[in-house]
This record gives sequence, structure tokens and C-alpha cells, in this order.
Amino acid sequence: SYVVTQPPSVSVAPGQTARITCGGNNIQRKNIHWYQQKPGQAPVLVVYDDSDRPSGIPERFSGSNSGNTATLTITSVEAGDEADYYCQFWDTSSDPVVFGGGTKLTVL
Amino acid sequence: QVQLQESGPGLVTPSETLSLTCGVSGYSLSNDYYWGWVRQPPGKGLEWIGSVYHSGRTFDNPSLRSRVTMSVDMSKNQFSLNLISVTAADTAVFYCAARPSRGGYFDYWGQGILVTVSS
Repeated sequence: SYVVTQPPSVSVAPGQTARITCGGNNIQRKNIHWYQQKPGQAPVLVVYDDSDRPSGIPERFSGSNSGNTATLTITSVEAGDEADYYCQFWDTSSDPVVFGGGTKLTVL
Repeated sequence: QVQLQESGPGLVTPSETLSLTCGVSGYSLSNDYYWGWVRQPPGKGLEWIGSVYHSGRTFDNPSLRSRVTMSVDMSKNQFSLNLISVTAADTAVFYCAARPSRGGYFDYWGQGILVTVSS
């Protein structure tokens, strides 16, 4: 089955830019979605179809997908962005829905 | 606005069946969405369990397929999950979540329900 890899943790200072990656073989062929999950809460969709934002999600959140890496970028990071972030895709050829292992974003 | 709410027992005995229901408000199950389940063991990541369409068609995680059944109840606008032969490894927060049929993402989630498997 297809495997995606996320770094376990990313740390960034307030006001800086955080980049969270999701790696996989030729992942650019898949539509990648990103979720933010704060402790004790359900996940929230922050980017879908590689780079689209649901309504209500700040423009500071953006996504890209090229080659073997999809990236969630958070600019001007705030303390409130501290959370776990998961990438996900839907693949009808094998496992229909796959989540990455998650990345803990720490705001220093 | 679409709202999902999980319900069911918080404690299940090993080898028994875990049964959960997700009530949907603000949207009809007959609309163009897949209704699914995702679980999260304590301190771990998200795992997709499966999804069901209002027609009854299902997609499921191959690793759980032999133990999972899902169904929809259009009269109550709710859908359900049964997971048989549970063990302590099935202890998790279970979320119900909705995915548009033309999209691969979950844009609506329930708040989650913790189910503990223990005697």
C-alpha cells in the first residue's frame, strides 16, 4: 500500500513561516488535504485539493504539491497555530483513504 | 450548517461488538456525501475505518474489513458502525465525518467519542 511520511515535529518562532511536509512516491499525482487538530478537539480541514482553503480558514494557510512532496505552509505563525497537522488523500486504487502520521507544530 | 454527533457506549468488553451511531442535522443523508468513521487511539494518529453512501455502498479500510459493518438509516438521518471482536487495541476516540462524493476530504466532523475496551 501507498506510504506517506510526515516529520514528527516542526518548531517555529512566532511570526515566522512553518512548512510541514508530506512525502510519498510521486505524490504530486494525488490530491492532498490537510487537517489541523488541537488537543481534545476534532480535526479541522485547513487545505483541500493541494491548495484550496475552506471558507473561514485564514490566508496564512496555504498548500502546494510537487514531485514527491506536498507542503502545508503557515505564514506569520501564531501561538494559536500550535497543533497536530495531518495530510490525507483518497485513493480508489488501494486503500481508499490514507492519513499521514501527523506533525506536531510547536510555536516557540 | 451540517452537524454530526456520535453516540454509543463508552466502555465495551473485549471480544464483544462496538456499536456507534452518528446523528446528522442540517443536511440530509440522501445528499451527495459519503458518511464515514475515523478513529484515533490515545496519543496516536488518525486512522480511517470506512465510509458509507446513502445507497448502502461502502468503502472500508482493508485492515479492518473483516470486522467492520456500516449502515445508514434514512428515516432517522443517521448512520452506524459496528466493529466486532474488539480488543484493547481498539480503544480510541471515534469520529464520524462527512466527505463530499466529488472530493476526497472530510469537511465535517463530529466531536468524537472515546470508547474504551476493557473488562
